[in-house]
Amino acid sequence: VVMTQSPLSLPVILGQPASISCMSSQSVLWTDGNSYLTWFQQRPGQSPRRLIYEASKRDSGVPDRFSGSGSGTDFTLKISRVEAEDVGVYYCMQGTHWPPITFGQGTRLEIK
Amino acid sequence: VQLQESGPGLVEPSQTLSLSCTVSGGSIRSGAYYFWSWIRQHPGEGLEWIGFISYTGSASYSSSLQGRLTITIDPSNNQFSLRLRSVTAADTGVYYCATGDDTSKVAYWGQGILVTVSS
Repeated sequence: VVMTQSPLSLPVILGQPASISCMSSQSVLWTDGNSYLTWFQQRPGQSPRRLIYEASKRDSGVPDRFSGSGSGTDFTLKISRVEAEDVGVYYCMQGTHWPPITFGQGTRLEIK
Repeated sequence: VQLQESGPGLVEPSQTLSLSCTVSGGSIRSGAYYFWSWIRQHPGEGLEWIGFISYTGSASYSSSLQGRLTITIDPSNNQFSLRLRSVTAADTGVYYCATGDDTSKVAYWGQGILVTVSS
């Protein structure tokens, strides 16, 4: 399953919203009704951190300005108000059709 | 759960890369985390899943590395390991160990270890 993110580069003004799209080459909806679509944030020089799992469930400790939505083949990660600490690269990943587990190319968020 | 990679930072071409991941704050044997993965990141590039092993010892590998890669697990020592044979410069990158469960097959990551293949 090929995961395609857009945009690949996202300049955002502090306090403004941001949105990242992730599309899969086939539906990642599993027979149990879950879409195993995960979003990660990788800050500069750090390992990735999970933000969202099962498309829309936010991890403990993740600010509520982050939200995930979507189903089937189209998914979105939204940041309601970008803060300086949000700079980094964001990846989507599907774990429905495996192996292999596949990642999107990454979206680099920077402050404009 | 915390994960920590260990191994050499420099490997010569055609040799074997061996890395270990030590798990703390949770037991492999408990089965709470079923998937124990290795993921790599070439310099300046994205994430590439290269393989995983279940806590029961069933492994699956990326087709691009099949034949060169072996992942093993040692529940008694709370570790799992990677061996990548016949390395080339194309295997240079940061190698991460990670774990996950049914909600997300990759959820928690180690800090990563930079491996350079060079003579």
